[in-house]
Amino acid sequence: EPEVTQTPSHQVTQMGQEVILRCVPISNHLYFYWYRQILGQKVEFLVSFYNNEISEKSEIFDDQFSVERPDGSNFTLKIRSTKLEDSAMYFCASSEARGTDTQYFGPGTRLTVL
Amino acid sequence: AQSVTQLDSHVSVSEGTPVLLRCNYSSSYSPSLFWYVQHPNKGLQLLLKYTSAATLVKGINGFEAEFKKSETSFHLTKPSAHMSDAAEYFCVVSETGKGGYNKLIFGAGTRLAVHP
Repeated sequence: EPEVTQTPSHQVTQMGQEVILRCVPISNHLYFYWYRQILGQKVEFLVSFYNNEISEKSEIFDDQFSVERPDGSNFTLKIRSTKLEDSAMYFCASSEARGTDTQYFGPGTRLTVL
Repeated sequence: AQSVTQLDSHVSVSEGTPVLLRCNYSSSYSPSLFWYVQHPNKGLQLLLKYTSAATLVKGINGFEAEFKKSETSFHLTKPSAHMSDAAEYFCVVSETGKGGYNKLIFGAGTRLAVHP
């Protein structure tokens, strides 16, 4: 069964460093998302992406964040200068269509900023 | 804005007994609702989805949920718990954003423990 994959599973970085989180969505899906979950808090929407453009972003998704689909398979989330409060589990998701179509999630990347 | 409230942060049951995980939603129109499960060190797996076709929705692993508009509830049930059901469960509502793209709004989660 096709699944969303994410790498790395765990990333440790120093405050102020740039990190890139990678995701490979399900191959025939066209809509991509990032969510995050700070420890002990709810899973929060960050951004949706379609046709090489951001469709919607949350208030959390400020200028430090960017997303990209650099090739036909990968979908990346970049945090330019990490802060302590960026420590969280980051989930990538994809869906075949927009609207209320089901989103399929990857296993997550745990980011720890020291 | 839409929201979901999971009424219990922790639920503990014995193996073989029924499971009830409670969820209430707030929505200005007929919502799309989901239950996702997260096992330790695993991703978020879809259990089931409601999109107005039928009020009783059957999912994987024997779980089902009933949409009750009058009570704004979407509780998750299973007749008989298994040890492998121990996980965190999220009630989720889909909100349509800009351009028709949907984003998911998550509840806080309910951690289910199953005892022998």
